[in-house]
Amino acid sequence: GENVEQHPSTLSVQEGDSAVIKCTYSDSASNYFPWYKQELGKRPQLIIDIRSNVGEKKDQRIAVTLNKTAKHFSLHITETQPEDSAVYFCAASKSGTGGFKTIFGAGTRLFVKA
Amino acid sequence: GAGVSQSPSNKVTEKGKDVELRCDPISGHTALYWYRQSLGQGLEFLIYFQGNSAPDKSGLPSDRFSAERTGGSVSTLTIQRTQQEDSAVYLCASSFRGGPTGELFFGEGSRLTVL
Repeated sequence: GENVEQHPSTLSVQEGDSAVIKCTYSDSASNYFPWYKQELGKRPQLIIDIRSNVGEKKDQRIAVTLNKTAKHFSLHITETQPEDSAVYFCAASKSGTGGFKTIFGAGTRLFVKA
Repeated sequence: GAGVSQSPSNKVTEKGKDVELRCDPISGHTALYWYRQSLGQGLEFLIYFQGNSAPDKSGLPSDRFSAERTGGSVSTLTIQRTQQEDSAVYLCASSFRGGPTGELFFGEGSRLTVL
């Protein structure tokens, strides 16, 4: 069945350093890869996404890369700030007649130390 | 509505009782999803709807779990004969099938505690 693996489960960085979170997916039909950020006690919210026909996408301090051949995708956060501290979820999604089915990774808890 | 609305926000029940959780998606969103998040854990897929039909029910943990959606809008997740391991936050999300992405808009969740 579909599966998304996410690593690491916990990541601690110093303010200003970079953070990288990696995911792999099993379903080769997946064609949309969003990343969600969940702050403590709040709902997950989309921060960036990438489609299967693109290898890289950047939005200010956040970038995502996708390797479809290897079924890997990664989130890169540069110049981390304390407000980046949260749980980050990667997801793999495929469109079908019923819309997008989205499977999430287990999450990465990011701590940014001031 | 302005966002995805879920009720109740908190539910405490005794083992063996049935519970119903409700989700009211964003107006016009055709797809609706249910996920379960246990304490400190990830988002476990349960079921999703396109309109009133459920193309994929593969995530429902057991036959004690069921969900329905009527009128292409409100959805209800029902858990029968609740067990302590059912304790979790149940998150609902909706998306617009015709949109450029499959972005999910989440509700605040329903926190279920089974004593």
